[in-house]
Order: sequence, then C-alpha cells, then structure tokens
Amino acid sequence: DGGITQSPKYLFRKEGQNVTLSCEQNLNHDAMYWYRQDPGQGLRLIYYSQIVNDFQKGDIAEGYSVSREKKESFPLTVTSAQKNPTAFYLCASSLGAEPSTDTQYFGPGTRLTVL
Amino acid sequence: QQPVQSPQAVILREGEDAVINCSSSKALYSVHWYRQKHGEAPVFLMILLKGGEQKGHEKISASFNEKKQQSSLYLTASQLSYSGTYFCGTGGGSNYKLTFGKGTLLTVNP
Repeated sequence: DGGITQSPKYLFRKEGQNVTLSCEQNLNHDAMYWYRQDPGQGLRLIYYSQIVNDFQKGDIAEGYSVSREKKESFPLTVTSAQKNPTAFYLCASSLGAEPSTDTQYFGPGTRLTVL
Repeated sequence: QQPVQSPQAVILREGEDAVINCSSSKALYSVHWYRQKHGEAPVFLMILLKGGEQKGHEKISASFNEKKQQSSLYLTASQLSYSGTYFCGTGGGSNYKLTFGKGTLLTVNP
C-alpha cells in the first residue's frame, strides 16, 4: 500500500538534546513538507522541499533543520535551539511541486514531548 | 497571513446543516479544505482553484468567492462521522506555500 509513514508516533526527549523525526513516502511524490501543530494554532509550515537536494524555509524554521537526499525521505531534526519543541509534527507530500495547487497528503504524525 | 475561520466551534445534532467560512486578507489563488480527527492526520476533502467551479464531495461541498477572498464549506444532513476539526489552507499564487487557518471544531451529537 502506498502512503506516508512517520516514526516514532510518540517521542520524548530531554531538554537540550537534538532529535530527528522520520518521514518516508512511497507515493513517488515530488514535494514534501513539515508542519507543526499546537493546540488552537492550526498547521504552521516549518520546511518544504520541491525536489531532491533542495528545500525552503517555511514560517517557523528557526531551531529546525532538514535534508532531502532521497526523493522518498525528508527527515526533520529538532535542535536544542528550538525553544518550545513540544508539539505534534506532521509530514505531508504532494505529487506535483506546486504547494498552492497540488493536494497535500499527510502522514499520521509524531507527538514530541520535551521533558 | 493566516486566514480567519469562523465559527471557531459549532455543535450540531445529527441531520443538521453547517457552514464554515474561511477569509483571507490577501488575494487567493486556491483554497484547500481538510478534516482532522483528534490525534490523527488531516484528511483532504477538496481543493478550489481561482476561476474554478464549486466542488462537491458526498454531502460536503464548498464555494470560492474570489472577489471577497473567502471560501465556505457546506455540510448538509450531518453525520456523526463529520465530527472533527476543519481546516482551510489558502494559496496566494502559483508556487506559493499554503497557509492554514486555526480550524473550526465541529461536533455532531446523536
């Protein structure tokens, strides 16, 4: 079955540690996205990538880093510079590379809690 | 700039209708609608593009008023399964990223 997988589903980390969230898709989609969701805030874009080896900052990129070495993978690293990392993180992908007009399909999410 | 959704929350009885609005202060090129159940991934409902037709999906449809820079989602004869948070995502033009609203919590009771 084709889809988007994110792992782990729940993640706990100590303050000051970096952590990497996994996102894999086998849909052969060109573009991939990372969103952060906080209660009452909706979805906010962290980073997106329209093509392998290229990515752009979203609205809240500070304290995060990404890589896109393979078409199917777009891992997100939450660094110790992110002041309030506790949130629900959603990865998405779209067939085409036009964020405004291509449908984005979401993975199941990773809930990160900083202790 | 983040689109504004209204109402923030709505409670319905099964079989009732609801309208959720999404307004932007910027010119819109596209509007995307999603529904999210608690703790789950958002599920795509429909996309409306500038100059396109009103869309429909089962008993859920949407309109896009370019002049008013707003979209409305219509849910008719609501079912228990319609419960969730509805988000609109707006696009400002080709190659512009989506910006999502804060969501509208819809609760359908028996």
